[in-house]
Amino acid sequence: EAQVTQNPRYLITVTGKKLTVTCSQNMNHEYMSWYRQDPGLGLRQIYYSMNVEVTDKGDVPEGYKVSRKEKRNFPLILESPSPNQTSLYFCASSLGRRLDTQYFGPGTRLTVL
Amino acid sequence: AQKITQTQPGMFVQEKEAVTLDCTYDTSDPSYGLFWYKQPSSGEMIFLIYQGSYDQQNATEGRYSLNFQKARKSANLVISASQLGDSAMYFCAMRETTGANNLFFGTGTRLTVIP
Repeated sequence: EAQVTQNPRYLITVTGKKLTVTCSQNMNHEYMSWYRQDPGLGLRQIYYSMNVEVTDKGDVPEGYKVSRKEKRNFPLILESPSPNQTSLYFCASSLGRRLDTQYFGPGTRLTVL
Repeated sequence: AQKITQTQPGMFVQEKEAVTLDCTYDTSDPSYGLFWYKQPSSGEMIFLIYQGSYDQQNATEGRYSLNFQKARKSANLVISASQLGDSAMYFCAMRETTGANNLFFGTGTRLTVIP
């Protein structure tokens, strides 16, 4: 089944404890992206990647890192999480052409205490 | 300026009736794509329908259709024959061919279908 997977789905952590949210897609998509969703703000892009080893900042990159060493994986790293990073996080992927549909993972609900 | 505006925070519709969810957008890019996503209470984002800026006809996907009025920069989602399972948040989004090529999302409309 074609899908985007994320792990973990739920995470409660404490301020300053490094964490990684994994994202993987099995559709051979070139474009991958991370979004965060906060009430009243819709979804905002954190980072995106056009292809392997090509990443760039989105609208709200502060406090996050990403890497794209393989085409299928695009992990999101929070080196020192803070409470304002409590949010619902989505990974998404698309074929690569600029107007292709982005398909979303199931989401990761992160709480930083 | 907001790229995507959804002015209806909440909407109610009777089961089996049709409902229109409004979306207006702002872009100077001549080539863009408009998307609608559904987010049920379980949280996932489900792609519903796509309209390209150069498409001559309005997009349709089953009970979903997109009322695309390019001159007015509107891309309203029409759901026909509403079902209880349609109760969810609905997001309008736009992707441009320039810049970061990300999806710009509206703030969403919560649709409630009444039995």
